[in-house]
Amino acid sequence: GENVEQHPSTLSVQEGDSAVIKCTYSDSASNYFPWYKQELGKRPQLIIDIRSNVGEKKDQRIAVTLNKTAKHFSLHITETQPEDSAVYFCAASRGGANNLFFGTGTRLTVIP
Amino acid sequence: GAVVSQHPSWVICKSGTSVKIECRSLDFQATTMFWYRQFPKQSLMLMATSNEGSKATYEQGVEKDKFLINHASLTLSTLTVTSAHPEDSSFYICSARPPGISGELFFGEGSRLTVL
Repeated sequence: GENVEQHPSTLSVQEGDSAVIKCTYSDSASNYFPWYKQELGKRPQLIIDIRSNVGEKKDQRIAVTLNKTAKHFSLHITETQPEDSAVYFCAASRGGANNLFFGTGTRLTVIP
Repeated sequence: GAVVSQHPSWVICKSGTSVKIECRSLDFQATTMFWYRQFPKQSLMLMATSNEGSKATYEQGVEKDKFLINHASLTLSTLTVTSAHPEDSSFYICSARPPGISGELFFGEGSRLTVL
């Protein structure tokens, strides 16, 4: 099955700085890569996703890049704000109705 | 976005009893739902894929007799933790993907199970 690794496990940044979280995956057939944000005690919520036919996608302060050859993808958050503090999970799947395999999570803390 | 609801949000039970958790898709029909387990400060581990009208598909290492899954309708899947023990204490969370919205998975609120 798919194996998704995520780094770092914890990340602290000053408000206004950028944060980068990296993930690698093992299944070359995976073609859908979402990122979820989970606040304490709440459900994970999708913040951005990318498919294998695209190398980069941006949505305001959030961007994701994908390197299919190297089988890694990254989340970039610019101009971080305290409300960005949460646990972020990357995931991978073969798309369609298939299930998601999640990375181990990154606890991001934005220091005001 | 689509809404997935879980019940109960938390439950405490005695060791040896069984606990049922419900997962409902409120505004869409879901032929497939996914059950995840999350330990404190850890990732979401896929337990099984629930298929409407047929048997669930379990991930390696998940005991199907321990975690019974029933997907009797297009809007309801249930997870029953049978003969629960303290090591079954965890956060159980379901998810579903609405038809036509390719990719995005919507999660329920999660159910925190504590087995005494």
